[in-house]
Amino acid sequence: GAVVSQHPSWVICKSGTSVKIECRSLDFQATTMFWYRQFPKQSLMLMATSNEGSKATYEQGVEKDKFLINHASLTLSTLTVTSAHPEDSSFYICRPSGGADTQYFGPGTRLTVL
Amino acid sequence: GQNIDQPTEMTATEGAIVQINCTYQTSGFNGLFWYQQHAGEAPTFLSYNVLDGLEEKGRFSSFLSRSKGYSYLLLKELQMKDSASYLCAMTTDSWGKLQFGAGTQVVVTP
Repeated sequence: GAVVSQHPSWVICKSGTSVKIECRSLDFQATTMFWYRQFPKQSLMLMATSNEGSKATYEQGVEKDKFLINHASLTLSTLTVTSAHPEDSSFYICRPSGGADTQYFGPGTRLTVL
Repeated sequence: GQNIDQPTEMTATEGAIVQINCTYQTSGFNGLFWYQQHAGEAPTFLSYNVLDGLEEKGRFSSFLSRSKGYSYLLLKELQMKDSASYLCAMTTDSWGKLQFGAGTQVVVTP
């Protein structure tokens, strides 16, 4: 299957700081990137969809100014959680999509905001 | 809108078979995925059905009926390591935008 990496795998930060999460598709070109988050004991919730070189489309209830998504290349997308607060603590997972390779998730980033 | 339903939890004995049902309602349908997710980890792809019928992959099989809006994941010869959450997910576009069910927690007992 496709190889997807995320960095960092976990991060702890203070309230009010910003955190950047990177997602890389290592062996295929990701024309589309999906970002999900998952709170404990809940299912995955789609946050936003981005296409390479264009602005992301956010799901209802997701603040675009708080969760900044950059998809500048076909192998890298970043999600920046700005001014993070404890309620942003969650498991953030990316899923790159490119042609037939649509089913593989990144390993996830666990964010804890103190 | 879309609605995906699957049972919250199922318990089965090691070596047994378990069938996890998933029903969906949507105005458009492109395909159905099944994922396995262990606690603290990202989901792992298990299967993808786009046409009616059964897809078999080793101990795991997945079935789809588009007319009935119904799918199931069949786990045979259960092993302790199969204890996990199993997620049913549907896509309605060619990008592969997935919407997930709440997941079914499968507990395998000795």
